[in-house]
Amino acid sequence: GESVGLHLPTLSVQEGDNSIINCAYSNSASDYFIWYKQESGKGPQFIIDIRSNMDKRQGQRVTVLLNKTVKHLSLQIAATQPGDSAVYFCAENNYGGSQGNLIFGKGTKLSVKP
Amino acid sequence: ETGVTQSPTHLIKTRGQQVTLRCSSQSGHNTVSWYQQALGQGPQFIFQYYREEENGRGNFPPRFSGLQFPNYSSELNVNALELDDSALYLCASGRLATGTDTQYFGPGTRLTVL
Repeated sequence: GESVGLHLPTLSVQEGDNSIINCAYSNSASDYFIWYKQESGKGPQFIIDIRSNMDKRQGQRVTVLLNKTVKHLSLQIAATQPGDSAVYFCAENNYGGSQGNLIFGKGTKLSVKP
Repeated sequence: ETGVTQSPTHLIKTRGQQVTLRCSSQSGHNTVSWYQQALGQGPQFIFQYYREEENGRGNFPPRFSGLQFPNYSSELNVNALELDDSALYLCASGRLATGTDTQYFGPGTRLTVL
């Protein structure tokens, strides 16, 4: 079946470095992608989204890149801070259908070393 | 913080019992989606409600049911609880209108089935 997966389950970076979290998706019909951050004991927090008609989108300290050719999504976090430590999920959606559900990957745990 | 709230925060039930979880959507949103998140996994879509009707369902049995009320609040009901139903249950609200459905999550209800 269609699924969203992540290349790395864990990522450890030094405070101040840039972080890159990767995600592969298999449904070529997906047209909307979201990155979420989930801290321990909390619900997923929206970080940034991108539509399939875009290749790149920037937010505050975060950038999402979409490569539709290889069905790959990445989240770049600039100047990573201890508060960025969390599990990061990518999620995809296909609005061509009638459902509005999000399909999540298993997540990448980001640990920031001081 | 999103405007999505959930109650209760934690709940302990025994196998075979029934449970009702509640969610209050963010103001201005017209969809409510429910997700189940097992420990160490990404959220799994249960179903979505739009205009008080089910608008898509994931791979969950009929003992998982829901309601959406005119004020866009929602309930998730689970009958005949099983041990594997132990999980974090997340509610997310969004606006199904413009081809994007950025969903904002509540803090979740931690259900433990003994």
